[in-house]
Amino acid sequence: DGGITQSPKYLFRKEGQNVTLSCEQNLNHDAMYWYRQDPGQGLRLIYYSQIVNDFQKGDIAEGYSVSREKKESFPLTVTSAQKNPTAFYLCASTRDSYGYTFGSGTRLTVV
Amino acid sequence: EDKVVQSPLSLVVHEGDTVTLNCSYEVTNFRSLLWYKQEKKAPTFLFMLTSSGIEKKSGRLSSILDKKELSSILNITATQTGDSAIYLCAPHRNAGGTSYGKLTFGQGTILTVHP
Repeated sequence: DGGITQSPKYLFRKEGQNVTLSCEQNLNHDAMYWYRQDPGQGLRLIYYSQIVNDFQKGDIAEGYSVSREKKESFPLTVTSAQKNPTAFYLCASTRDSYGYTFGSGTRLTVV
Repeated sequence: EDKVVQSPLSLVVHEGDTVTLNCSYEVTNFRSLLWYKQEKKAPTFLFMLTSSGIEKKSGRLSSILDKKELSSILNITATQTGDSAIYLCAPHRNAGGTSYGKLTFGQGTILTVHP
């Protein structure tokens, strides 16, 4: 079955540590997106990529970095510069203007 | 800067009640408005609205877009406990010079339906 796989489901980060969240899709979608969700809040766009080797900052890109070396993969790195990284992170993809597919998310906690 | 406001932020009702959720938006290069339901993890798609005044229905859920007022409503009739979730609206707009665009989400309405 086609879909988006995010891993890990839960991740714990120590202060000052970089961590990378994985997002892989086998839907042959061109565009991929990373969103952050805080408790009781909507989703805020971190980064998005509409083609391999290209990506754009979203609304809250500071403290995050991404890469898009393959069409199927769009990993997100939460750097030590992100001062409040505890949140739920969702990856999404789309092939056209509609029909976004979401992954099941990664819950990141700073310990 | 894009702006999406949903109201109410939270709502507690009993089974059988009817609810109306509101979404107002200010986005440039607007294409459509999407509604999602989020229970535990991934949001699931409910509706996509592109034309003003045309109601979309799916079972007990319905939604309509008003482009003049830059708003949309989501109605749920005869609510059930399984309707308890966060409901997110997301205007879709052009971005990056390609056809894909991007979604800007509202903060969501948390709906709780008691038996």
